Amino acid sequence: DGGITQSPKYLFRKEGQNVTLSCEQNLNHDAMYWYRQDPGQGLRLIYYSQIVNDFQKGDIAEGYSVSREKKESFPLTVTSAQKNPTAFYLCASTPTGQVSNYGYTFGSGTRLTVV
Amino acid sequence: QKEVEQNSGPLSVPEGAIASLNCTYSDRVSQSFFWYRQYSGKSPELIMSIYSNGDKEDGRFTAQLNKASQYVSLLIRDSQPSDSATYLCAVNTGGYQKVTFGTGTKLQVIP
Repeated sequence: DGGITQSPKYLFRKEGQNVTLSCEQNLNHDAMYWYRQDPGQGLRLIYYSQIVNDFQKGDIAEGYSVSREKKESFPLTVTSAQKNPTAFYLCASTPTGQVSNYGYTFGSGTRLTVV
Repeated sequence: QKEVEQNSGPLSVPEGAIASLNCTYSDRVSQSFFWYRQYSGKSPELIMSIYSNGDKEDGRFTAQLNKASQYVSLLIRDSQPSDSATYLCAVNTGGYQKVTFGTGTKLQVIP
């Protein structure tokens, strides 16, 4: 079955450590997105990519980095510069970059906790 | 004013009743509107999309859009305990590449 796989499901980060969240899709979708969800807040866009080797900052990109070397993969790195990384991270995709025409397909999420 | 506003709830309805979830948005040029269901600890799942004024029905779900009032709603008929979840409203704002989510309304269906 087609879908989006995020790993790990739970991740613990020590202070000053960089961690990478994996996102892989087999839907043949062109566009991929990373969102962050905090209690009481709506989903906030971190980065998005409409095509391989190209990506754009979202509303809260500071302290995060991404790459898009393959159509299927869009990993997110949470760097030590992100001061409040504890959150639920969601990867999503759409068939094309025209996000207004499609709803998102979401992965199952990664819950990151700073210890 | 938030771009997309929802009442956080919880909204409690008895089993079999109609649940009505509401969402208002501030960007008048918004063209696309989505409802997602999110169970506790899980990721959101798209349940409805609507692009034109009026009603759109899919099974027990009906989405209603009124662009003049900048209002979109989701009706769930014959509510079931399995409908208990948080419902997120999402609106295409600020150009076709941007989607803004509301904070969600928690629905509780009481058996």
